Amino acid sequence: DIQMTQSPSSMSASVGDSVTITCRASQTVNHFVNWYHHKPGKAPKLLIFSTSNLQSGVPSRFSGSGSGTDFTLTISGLQPADFATYYCQQSYSVPLTFGGGTKLELK
Amino acid sequence: EVQLVESGGGLVQPGGSLRLSCAASGLDFSTAWMHWVRQPPGKGLVWLSRINPDGTVSSYADSVKGRFTISRDNAKNTFNLQMNGLRGDDTAFYYCAGGSFDPDYWGQGTLVTVSS
Repeated sequence: DIQMTQSPSSMSASVGDSVTITCRASQTVNHFVNWYHHKPGKAPKLLIFSTSNLQSGVPSRFSGSGSGTDFTLTISGLQPADFATYYCQQSYSVPLTFGGGTKLELK
Repeated sequence: EVQLVESGGGLVQPGGSLRLSCAASGLDFSTAWMHWVRQPPGKGLVWLSRINPDGTVSSYADSVKGRFTISRDNAKNTFNLQMNGLRGDDTAFYYCAGGSFDPDYWGQGTLVTVSS
Protein backbone atom coordinates (compact mmCIF):
# COMPACT_ATOMS: atom_id res chain seq x y z
CA ASP A 1 0.00 0.00 0.00
CA ILE A 2 1.13 3.57 -0.65
CA GLN A 3 1.61 5.54 2.55
CA MET A 4 0.80 9.26 2.54
CA THR A 5 2.70 11.19 5.21
CA GLN A 6 1.15 14.57 5.86
CA SER A 7 2.71 17.42 7.85
CA PRO A 8 2.22 19.19 10.08
CA SER A 9 -0.43 17.23 11.97
CA SER A 10 -1.71 20.48 13.44
CA MET A 11 -1.03 24.17 13.11
CA SER A 12 -2.48 27.48 14.22
CA ALA A 13 -2.81 30.62 12.14
CA SER A 14 -4.74 33.88 11.96
CA VAL A 15 -7.30 35.15 9.49
CA GLY A 16 -5.44 36.57 6.52
CA ASP A 17 -2.35 34.37 6.95
CA SER A 18 -1.04 32.03 4.27
CA VAL A 19 -0.30 28.42 5.16
CA THR A 20 1.21 25.41 3.41
CA ILE A 21 0.53 21.75 4.13
CA THR A 22 2.76 19.05 2.70
CA CYS A 23 2.17 15.43 1.78
CA ARG A 24 4.80 12.84 0.89
CA ALA A 25 3.97 9.55 -0.79
CA SER A 26 5.97 6.39 -0.05
CA GLN A 27 6.33 5.82 -3.80
CA THR A 28 5.53 7.77 -6.91
CA VAL A 29 1.84 8.57 -7.41
CA ASN A 30 2.36 10.57 -10.61
CA HIS A 31 -0.05 13.51 -10.29
CA PHE A 32 -2.89 11.53 -8.69
CA VAL A 33 -3.25 13.48 -5.46
CA ASN A 34 -6.42 15.11 -4.17
CA TRP A 35 -6.93 17.46 -1.21
CA TYR A 36 -10.02 17.58 1.02
CA HIS A 37 -11.37 19.91 3.68
CA HIS A 38 -13.37 18.44 6.56
CA LYS A 39 -15.25 19.89 9.48
CA PRO A 40 -16.77 17.70 12.23
CA GLY A 41 -20.29 16.55 11.40
CA LYS A 42 -20.03 17.78 7.84
CA ALA A 43 -19.37 16.09 4.53
CA PRO A 44 -15.71 16.23 3.47
CA LYS A 45 -15.24 18.55 0.52
CA LEU A 46 -12.91 18.11 -2.44
CA LEU A 47 -10.73 21.17 -2.93
CA ILE A 48 -8.01 20.16 -5.39
CA PHE A 49 -7.87 17.16 -7.75
CA SER A 50 -4.95 15.75 -9.70
CA THR A 51 -2.40 17.81 -7.75
CA SER A 52 -3.30 21.30 -8.94
CA ASN A 53 -6.82 21.48 -10.38
CA LEU A 54 -9.31 23.55 -8.45
CA GLN A 55 -12.66 21.82 -7.95
CA SER A 56 -15.62 23.84 -9.26
CA GLY A 57 -16.82 26.39 -6.72
CA VAL A 58 -13.66 26.32 -4.61
CA PRO A 59 -12.11 29.77 -3.97
CA SER A 60 -8.90 30.61 -5.80
CA ARG A 61 -7.06 31.15 -2.50
CA PHE A 62 -6.58 27.37 -2.51
CA SER A 63 -3.80 26.01 -4.69
CA GLY A 64 -1.91 22.75 -5.06
CA SER A 65 1.40 21.73 -6.53
CA GLY A 66 3.88 18.87 -6.69
CA SER A 67 4.74 15.74 -8.60
CA GLY A 68 6.06 12.25 -8.06
CA THR A 69 6.13 11.87 -4.30
CA ASP A 70 5.96 15.42 -2.86
CA PHE A 71 2.86 17.59 -2.86
CA THR A 72 1.68 20.78 -1.22
CA LEU A 73 -1.58 22.56 -0.51
CA THR A 74 -1.37 26.31 -0.01
CA ILE A 75 -4.11 28.55 1.34
CA SER A 76 -3.48 32.23 0.73
CA GLY A 77 -5.38 34.70 2.90
CA LEU A 78 -7.13 32.44 5.40
CA GLN A 79 -10.84 33.02 5.96
CA PRO A 80 -12.81 31.94 9.05
CA ALA A 81 -14.42 29.06 7.10
CA ASP A 82 -10.98 27.60 6.34
CA PHE A 83 -10.28 26.45 9.89
CA ALA A 84 -10.82 22.71 9.59
CA THR A 85 -8.90 19.49 9.00
CA TYR A 86 -7.23 18.92 5.63
CA TYR A 87 -6.41 15.57 4.08
CA CYS A 88 -4.35 14.57 1.08
CA GLN A 89 -5.27 11.36 -0.76
CA GLN A 90 -3.63 9.36 -3.52
CA SER A 91 -5.72 7.76 -6.25
CA TYR A 92 -2.79 6.28 -8.18
CA SER A 93 -3.44 2.77 -6.94
CA VAL A 94 -5.82 0.72 -4.83
CA PRO A 95 -6.20 0.84 -1.91
CA LEU A 96 -6.71 4.58 -2.07
CA THR A 97 -4.94 6.09 0.93
CA PHE A 98 -5.23 9.31 2.88
CA GLY A 99 -2.70 11.31 4.80
CA GLY A 100 -3.18 11.50 8.54
CA GLY A 101 -4.72 14.97 8.35
CA THR A 102 -3.68 18.50 9.29
CA LYS A 103 -5.86 20.28 11.82
CA LEU A 104 -5.78 24.01 11.13
CA GLU A 105 -6.82 26.02 14.16
CA LEU A 106 -7.41 29.69 14.77
CA LYS A 107 -4.59 31.34 16.67
CA GLU B 1 -26.53 20.16 -6.58
CA VAL B 2 -25.07 16.75 -5.81
CA GLN B 3 -26.50 15.09 -2.71
CA LEU B 4 -25.41 11.82 -1.14
CA VAL B 5 -27.38 10.59 1.86
CA GLU B 6 -26.31 7.62 3.95
CA SER B 7 -28.63 5.46 6.03
CA GLY B 8 -28.52 2.24 7.99
CA GLY B 9 -26.05 3.05 10.73
CA GLY B 10 -26.61 2.13 14.35
CA LEU B 11 -25.54 -0.04 17.26
CA VAL B 12 -24.65 -3.65 16.53
CA GLN B 13 -23.08 -6.40 18.60
CA PRO B 14 -19.65 -7.84 17.76
CA GLY B 15 -20.02 -10.51 15.10
CA GLY B 16 -23.23 -8.93 13.83
CA SER B 17 -24.18 -7.51 10.45
CA LEU B 18 -25.36 -4.16 9.15
CA ARG B 19 -26.25 -2.84 5.71
CA LEU B 20 -25.50 0.75 4.85
CA SER B 21 -27.19 2.46 1.95
CA CYS B 22 -26.45 5.66 0.07
CA ALA B 23 -28.98 7.53 -2.06
CA ALA B 24 -27.51 9.76 -4.74
CA SER B 25 -29.02 12.69 -6.61
CA GLY B 26 -27.73 15.49 -8.80
CA LEU B 27 -25.04 13.42 -10.52
CA ASP B 28 -25.03 10.99 -13.44
CA PHE B 29 -25.13 7.95 -11.19
CA SER B 30 -24.86 5.39 -13.98
CA THR B 31 -21.41 6.73 -14.93
CA ALA B 32 -20.12 7.46 -11.43
CA TRP B 33 -17.57 5.47 -9.43
CA MET B 34 -18.84 5.11 -5.88
CA HIS B 35 -16.82 4.71 -2.69
CA TRP B 36 -17.19 4.04 1.01
CA VAL B 37 -14.82 5.76 3.45
CA ARG B 38 -14.85 5.65 7.25
CA GLN B 39 -13.50 7.74 10.10
CA PRO B 40 -12.94 6.02 13.46
CA PRO B 41 -13.50 8.26 16.51
CA GLY B 42 -10.68 10.77 16.83
CA LYS B 43 -8.84 9.44 13.80
CA GLY B 44 -8.48 10.23 10.12
CA LEU B 45 -10.21 9.10 6.94
CA VAL B 46 -9.80 5.52 5.77
CA TRP B 47 -10.89 4.33 2.32
CA LEU B 48 -12.80 1.04 2.37
CA SER B 49 -14.18 0.14 -1.03
CA ARG B 50 -15.20 1.32 -4.47
CA ILE B 51 -17.39 0.02 -7.29
CA ASN B 52 -17.28 0.85 -10.98
CA PRO B 53 -20.25 2.40 -12.85
CA ASP B 54 -21.85 -0.82 -14.06
CA GLY B 55 -21.21 -2.69 -10.82
CA THR B 56 -18.95 -5.34 -12.33
CA VAL B 57 -15.68 -4.40 -10.63
CA SER B 58 -15.14 -3.72 -6.94
CA SER B 59 -12.10 -3.18 -4.74
CA TYR B 60 -11.60 -3.36 -0.98
CA ALA B 61 -9.16 -2.38 1.73
CA ASP B 62 -7.50 -5.40 3.34
CA SER B 63 -9.13 -4.55 6.68
CA VAL B 64 -12.61 -5.31 5.31
CA LYS B 65 -11.94 -7.74 2.45
CA GLY B 66 -14.04 -10.86 2.87
CA ARG B 67 -16.32 -9.22 5.44
CA PHE B 68 -17.79 -6.24 3.56
CA THR B 69 -19.49 -6.25 0.15
CA ILE B 70 -20.25 -3.21 -1.98
CA SER B 71 -23.09 -3.22 -4.50
CA ARG B 72 -25.19 -0.76 -6.47
CA ASP B 73 -28.59 -0.38 -8.13
CA ASN B 74 -28.35 2.07 -11.00
CA ALA B 75 -32.12 1.97 -11.53
CA LYS B 76 -32.62 3.40 -8.02
CA ASN B 77 -29.49 5.59 -7.84
CA THR B 78 -28.42 3.79 -4.69
CA PHE B 79 -25.45 1.80 -3.55
CA ASN B 80 -24.83 -0.28 -0.47
CA LEU B 81 -22.25 -1.69 1.88
CA GLN B 82 -23.10 -5.03 3.44
CA MET B 83 -21.00 -5.44 6.59
CA ASN B 84 -20.67 -8.85 8.20
CA GLY B 85 -18.53 -10.09 11.06
CA LEU B 86 -18.39 -6.65 12.62
CA ARG B 87 -15.69 -5.95 15.21
CA GLY B 88 -15.05 -3.21 17.71
CA ASP B 89 -12.51 -1.55 15.43
CA ASP B 90 -15.22 -1.13 12.78
CA THR B 91 -16.81 1.55 14.99
CA ALA B 92 -16.70 4.73 12.91
CA PHE B 93 -18.56 7.31 10.91
CA TYR B 94 -19.15 5.81 7.47
CA TYR B 95 -19.25 8.13 4.46
CA CYS B 96 -20.43 7.38 0.96
CA ALA B 97 -18.71 9.28 -1.81
CA GLY B 98 -18.68 9.32 -5.57
CA GLY B 99 -17.62 11.03 -8.73
CA SER B 100 -16.14 10.61 -12.18
CA PHE B 101 -13.47 8.33 -10.66
CA ASP B 102 -12.35 9.65 -7.30
CA PRO B 103 -14.45 10.59 -4.23
CA ASP B 104 -15.48 14.01 -5.54
CA TYR B 105 -18.73 14.37 -3.58
CA TRP B 106 -19.47 13.06 -0.09
CA GLY B 107 -22.39 12.46 2.23
CA GLN B 108 -22.48 13.65 5.83
CA GLY B 109 -21.94 10.18 7.21
CA THR B 110 -23.72 7.63 9.35
CA LEU B 111 -22.41 6.32 12.66
CA VAL B 112 -21.81 2.62 13.18
CA THR B 113 -21.08 1.48 16.72
CA VAL B 114 -20.00 -2.08 17.38
CA SER B 115 -20.38 -2.91 21.03
CA SER B 116 -21.96 -5.46 23.35
